Amino acid sequence: KNEVEQSPQNLTAQEGEFITINCSYSVGISALHWLQQHPGGGIVSLFMLSSGKKKHGRLIATINIQEKHSSLHITASHPRDSAVYICAVISQGGSEKLVFGKGTKLTVNP
Amino acid sequence: GAGVSQSPSNKVTEKGKDVELRCDPISGHTALYWYRQSLGQGLEFLIYFQGNSAPDKSGLPSDRFSAERTGGSVSTLTIQRTQQEDSAVYLCASSLGLAFGEQFFGPGTRLTVL
Repeated sequence: KNEVEQSPQNLTAQEGEFITINCSYSVGISALHWLQQHPGGGIVSLFMLSSGKKKHGRLIATINIQEKHSSLHITASHPRDSAVYICAVISQGGSEKLVFGKGTKLTVNP
Repeated sequence: GAGVSQSPSNKVTEKGKDVELRCDPISGHTALYWYRQSLGQGLEFLIYFQGNSAPDKSGLPSDRFSAERTGGSVSTLTIQRTQQEDSAVYLCASSLGLAFGEQFFGPGTRLTVL
């Protein structure tokens, strides 16, 4: 079992829909990242959070440390949101390292 | 200001040859990271530097891989005796201060081993 699991693996939505991508992890962490990988391959950091909730524009990220779960929400989705969204955790125990989920491919149709 | 840059952008090499990949982080960023993304696969952490030191090299796939960072700036990832399974996009990122803080990614080097 992967240490970081994302769901769904693929997601297709219509423009304007509310999107939720989930991330569950099984290891102790100090923080969690959400990344966006554009179709051309470039990666952008969206959020880094260790508790609670963060909001940036139409994007909202939440984390529940007790349940070892995080969600990324996109409100009023737009075709330009089409990308792969990647959850990554900073795992503890020994030395720190970043452990990635396999990503969620989001396609938003006009 | 300039972002993270990587060179070359593409590298095609023959099996058994050595390759060197370069990363120039954002000026002032003390932490630097190397990742690998194989075709159709997720991201894989390789190594990170805080200044010139790499606290943990266990993420490197084999002893054919090595990385160094000099002057707290430029880093090179060297792969010796390349194998076909080394073909991937190698990504570099940097962050200011805090290890594994908000990271800024470079465009990657696409390595193809024939």
